[in-house]
Parts: sequence; C-alpha cells; structure tokens
Amino acid sequence: EAGVAQSPRYKIIEKRQSVAFWCNPISGHATLYWYQQILGQGPKLLIQFQNNGVVDDSQLPKDRFSAERLKGVDSTLKIQPAKLEDSAVYLCASSPARGRTYNEQFFGPGTRLTVL
Amino acid sequence: DAKTTQPNSMESNEEEPVHLPCNHSTISGTDYIHWYRQLPSQGPEYVIHGLTSNVNNRMASLAIAEDRKSSTLILHRATLRDAAVYYCILTANDYKLSFGAGTTVTVRA
Repeated sequence: EAGVAQSPRYKIIEKRQSVAFWCNPISGHATLYWYQQILGQGPKLLIQFQNNGVVDDSQLPKDRFSAERLKGVDSTLKIQPAKLEDSAVYLCASSPARGRTYNEQFFGPGTRLTVL
Repeated sequence: DAKTTQPNSMESNEEEPVHLPCNHSTISGTDYIHWYRQLPSQGPEYVIHGLTSNVNNRMASLAIAEDRKSSTLILHRATLRDAAVYYCILTANDYKLSFGAGTTVTVRA
C-alpha cells in the first residue's frame, strides 16, 4: 500500500515570496491533515479536512496560509507571502473515515521549507 | 486539552528494554492514550494506543496505571532503529493529535 506522498521535499524561498505544497493521501482515506513542525518542537495541526470540507482550521494563520482539497483527494497548502518564522517542516497526514474503530494517522515525509 | 509530561531524553543500550514514562494527571474518563514516534527526517508514525487496559502489539507494549494518571511505553528489545522522538498524546474520541516536545530516545550500540 502506497503511503502519503508529499512534494516538494525541500523548498528555499525568500521572505514575501509565495510557496505551495502538495499532498496525496493514502487511497480511500477521507480525513486529511496539515501540520507545521518547527525545529525542536512537536507538530502543530494547521487544518483538518473531512473529504473536501474543513473540520478544523482554528490554528491556520488565515491572513497568509490557505489550503484546499477540492475533490476530496489530494490537497494543496499555500503560504502567501512567506515570513521568516514560516521556516519549518510541513507534514501531511491522512486517516480513514470517522466512525471506524480507530483513526490512526499516517504521515508523509514532509516538506522542509526555508525562508531567507 | 489534557496535557502530558514526558522526560526530555532517555538513553538505552541495544537489545535492552526501554521504559518510557508519561504522566497525565488531568486525564478524563474518555481520553485515549496514544504513542507516536518520529524517526530522524521522517514524519511521525503510530506506535500504540489504549484506553484503560494494557495493550500489546508487534512494536511495543503500553502499561496503563490503574488510576490512568500515568502510563509507560515499553520497547522490549531496543534496536538502533528505535532511536526517535516518542510522543505521548491524549485525545478524545475524535483522535485529534496535539503533540508536545516528546522524549528523545538514544540507543547505544
């Protein structure tokens, strides 16, 4: 079974530029998450989708971050414009639909963003 | 969200057991206890979870105190591949993960 795919793996941009990350979850997984992991810290949830609807985006900085999952499958996270403090690893995870016995989350390898 | 307390780091020798403690004194009756780990340069991966009873799987065992205010993740025979950051997380039945800093486990050959 293929895991969660993310691209690119690495990205270096200058502050005030825009950047987008792509995630393809495990086939059939209805729930998709984006996390931000700053060096030395645990991942922080940015947004959670259930199919193509947003379940929780309470920690997403909406003035500069946006995310979409138009067809309920793959997803894009965008930062526009980027700030120095956005330097982090952006992790995508997916899990089976709610209502199953257990919603284990499967994580992708992440995209490491460096903002100069 | 209920909080957990873990040691910052632990060291172990290869092929010896590792006992990772986690304190969660404010746990509610319906909170699940989860463990995830993150190997270097990878995303986190699920290790084990439980509610009240001790749990075993191919990766580890989870021992839950009778009052549920603490738990211990047990790696029975540590290998070099078990060097990682281990996160103890409490969730409600929505299984929404809130990661702390975790415990960094170092395994000596």
